Amino acid sequence: EVQLVESGGDLVQPGGSLRLSCAASGFTFSDYEMNWVRQAPGKGLEWVSYISSSATSIYYPDSVRGRFTISRDNAKNSLYLQMNSLRAEDTAVYFCARLGVSGSYYFDYWGQGTQVTVSS
Amino acid sequence: QSVLTQPPSVSAAPGQKVTISCSGSRSNIGSNYVSWYQQLPGTAPKLLIYDNNKRPSGIPDRFSGSKSGTSATLGITGLQTGDEADYYCGTWDSSLSAVIFGGGTKLTVL
Repeated sequence: EVQLVESGGDLVQPGGSLRLSCAASGFTFSDYEMNWVRQAPGKGLEWVSYISSSATSIYYPDSVRGRFTISRDNAKNSLYLQMNSLRAEDTAVYFCARLGVSGSYYFDYWGQGTQVTVSS
Repeated sequence: QSVLTQPPSVSAAPGQKVTISCSGSRSNIGSNYVSWYQQLPGTAPKLLIYDNNKRPSGIPDRFSGSKSGTSATLGITGLQTGDEADYYCGTWDSSLSAVIFGGGTKLTVL
């Protein structure tokens, strides 16, 4: 059974940093492209970052580029998101999500999410 | 304001059919595949439809997807109270070089 378990969410002050982790199991992690997607309170979904299976390709939307860094450790079956210079608008539940294998951009498995709150 | 436009809410009676629309442009829906997600209250999104009209294993055929031009539609037949959820469309936007989602549609089964 595919499982994605996020951790690391916390209350952090504006301008602070946080590192999220996602532990994967039930599939060959190194074969799959991975992503982070977030959801602000009462709002819709927002894609936050993408990393290829070997970490050779990485993408971000403009809203987080330069502040967030996605990485992975295939030996540990883990995905990470380093978030710096955090802002109030980064407050959200952060999901790690596996990219599907058909070649198009869809997410076939999601974790349960971890809450990040940016507030003084 | 989302790049993809969905109606904020739809409703129908149990057993009936409902459709949810997702409107975009040539740079997203018009040139890329569409996926649909169901998010039950307090839970993570779940993939319902990918590549416009394909269902993952375990998704009942009550759920269907279609695409025409720059719009996509999710159809749900035989509505059940357990289908009450938020539904999101998603796709790649070639101009933004980003995955984008619609704003979500809340389905109420009356």
